[in-house]
Amino acid sequence: DAGVTQSPTHLIKTRGQQVTLRCSPKSGHDTVSWYQQALGQGPQFIFQYYEEEERQRGNFPDRFSGHQFPNYSSELNVNALLLGDSALYLCASSPGLSGYNEQFFGPGTRLTVL
Amino acid sequence: GQQLNQSPQSMFIQEGEDVSMNCTSSSIFNTWLWYKQEPGEGPVLLIALYKAGELTSNGRLTAQFGITRKDSFLNISASIPSDVGIYFCAGRMDKLSFGAGTTVTVRA
Repeated sequence: DAGVTQSPTHLIKTRGQQVTLRCSPKSGHDTVSWYQQALGQGPQFIFQYYEEEERQRGNFPDRFSGHQFPNYSSELNVNALLLGDSALYLCASSPGLSGYNEQFFGPGTRLTVL
Repeated sequence: GQQLNQSPQSMFIQEGEDVSMNCTSSSIFNTWLWYKQEPGEGPVLLIALYKAGELTSNGRLTAQFGITRKDSFLNISASIPSDVGIYFCAGRMDKLSFGAGTTVTVRA
């Protein structure tokens, strides 16, 4: 049983570009959350998707958007990239909206903005 | 999001030592979670706490949910080399907020 998978593993972009990151949840999980982890910091909650809708959002600008597909996989899109967007982006899946205690994290996508 | 203060920022362990780290917040939480993250991986849940005063163990790990609901600690007993990594506390009301982490390394 595969856990949470994310692609790509690493990505280099330049300022102003747009990026799309992908996440496949653990089998049996229907809720996907995205986090940004800057170097030396803990993860910061970006948003959560359930039933193909954004259910909760952290303190991130509208440049950060997402999508969830019928198979529960999800994408994170970031427009107009800034240098400060360089970070590890983590996807976590859980069974249902309240399953934080059963939240499994993927290995992350390392985004570098030059 | 809520501000979680995690201490110490880093620590060195010697095999066999007991170590302790804690997390405090100005806000109350209804759940406290402790995670461990190793290089190239996402955080892995170690212990979940759901009630004020709750004390929970997972092998050599013990964590407590503070009575005020604004703090939690994690103890590791009889450290072994594979305990190295970054430990994060996280508190949850409606959203999950993480501390900045405690980096545990082996003392040379």
